Amino acid sequence: EAQVTQNPRYLITVTGKKLTVTCSQNMNHEYMSWYRQDPGLGLRQIYYSMNVEVTDKGDVPEGYKVSRKEKRNFPLILESPSPNQTSLYFCASSSAPGRNTDTQYFGPGTRLTVL
Amino acid sequence: AQSVTQLGSHVSVSEGALVLLRCNYSSSVPPYLFWYVQYPNQGLQLLLKYTTGATLVKGINGFEAEFKKSETSFHLTKPSAHMSDAAEYFCAVSETSYDKVIFGPGTSLSVIP
Repeated sequence: EAQVTQNPRYLITVTGKKLTVTCSQNMNHEYMSWYRQDPGLGLRQIYYSMNVEVTDKGDVPEGYKVSRKEKRNFPLILESPSPNQTSLYFCASSSAPGRNTDTQYFGPGTRLTVL
Repeated sequence: AQSVTQLGSHVSVSEGALVLLRCNYSSSVPPYLFWYVQYPNQGLQLLLKYTTGATLVKGINGFEAEFKKSETSFHLTKPSAHMSDAAEYFCAVSETSYDKVIFGPGTSLSVIP
């Protein structure tokens, strides 16, 4: 089954404690991306990756890092989380963003709370 | 800088009526345009997108959208609303297929029986 998995699904942590949210897809997709969703602010893209070792900043990259060492994985790293990073995070992948017929797959989301 | 506006943060339609969700964008280059849907307490789903070619794009669940360059619009329509269409809808724009994506604020669609 084609899917994007994220772990953990829920996380409560404290300010400054480094954490990683994993994202993995089983469709051999080249393009992957991370988004955050906040009440009143909507959806915002954090980082995206066009292929292995190729990443670029989205709309709100501050405070986040990513890596793309393998095609299937695209972890989101918060080196020193702060309360303003409390949010719902989504990972997504697609094979051919430039085609109308391309389908984008989303992970189930990770709800992060930083105290 | 790119931006997206969605007219109406909340839209209500009767079951069986036309659904029209408005999206206008600002972009300095020919845009790539997207509509996403988020059902209550669920994740995100891509409804449809426009990259190049035919300006009328058909998506899943009977939705379609038309790219109108002269009006800088990409409105989403569905001829007949179903109760299951109640959700949050997001319009988004990108300058290329491999570029950052900017989202609109979203429109919450309610369907009245």
